[in-house]
Amino acid sequence: SAVISQKPSRDICQRGTSLTIQCQVDSQVTMMFWYRQQPGQSLTLIATANQGSEATYESGFVIDKFPISRPNLTFSTLTVSNMSPEDSSIYLCSASGKFNYGYTFGSGTRLTVV
Amino acid sequence: KQEVTQIPAALSVPEGENLVLNCSFTDSAIYNLQWFRQDPGKGLTSLLLIQSSQREQTSGRLNASLDKSSGRSTLYIAASQPGDSATYLCAVRGVTGANSKLTFGKGITLSVRP
Repeated sequence: SAVISQKPSRDICQRGTSLTIQCQVDSQVTMMFWYRQQPGQSLTLIATANQGSEATYESGFVIDKFPISRPNLTFSTLTVSNMSPEDSSIYLCSASGKFNYGYTFGSGTRLTVV
Repeated sequence: KQEVTQIPAALSVPEGENLVLNCSFTDSAIYNLQWFRQDPGKGLTSLLLIQSSQREQTSGRLNASLDKSSGRSTLYIAASQPGDSATYLCAVRGVTGANSKLTFGKGITLSVRP
């Protein structure tokens, strides 16, 4: 299965600033996704990162707040914009091949907004 | 809409005990089911992937079963060790529409006492 490198692993940011998280996959994958995990909660899907086109966002998430890029089949970024303390979470990227393949996850980015 | 339930939320057992973690899902139209392990503040590690046509998968001391018609899966851990302490997440990948994405349970936090 694919191996995902995600960085940074953690960051402490000032409110009102933005942070960009990067994910690099060691092989070409069909689908890439971004998740958020708030403290003590399970994973919530933010969006599907589409190669060469705009990401598909889930209900409650908007492009202005969470812009996503996916310039090729192995790389994606998620930006958390104009951060507030409520954005403090673990952000995870994930990748999958065809539908009968499993998902692989990055090691996560632990974000604290102060 | 697919819903995944994992009960109990937390479990504490003595070292050496065999244990079963349960997962149930409401929509049996799934491609596959995946069990993950998450250590505190970290990403997800895939443990076992079961395709919809399979009944079980085994890896070392872990065995996962799937009964698609009844919407149930179990993760069996043999001879538990303190290093097994983590949160175990069950996730299903549906066939169509909104359910084609990965839907997670809230996880079971396992503590294995030495």
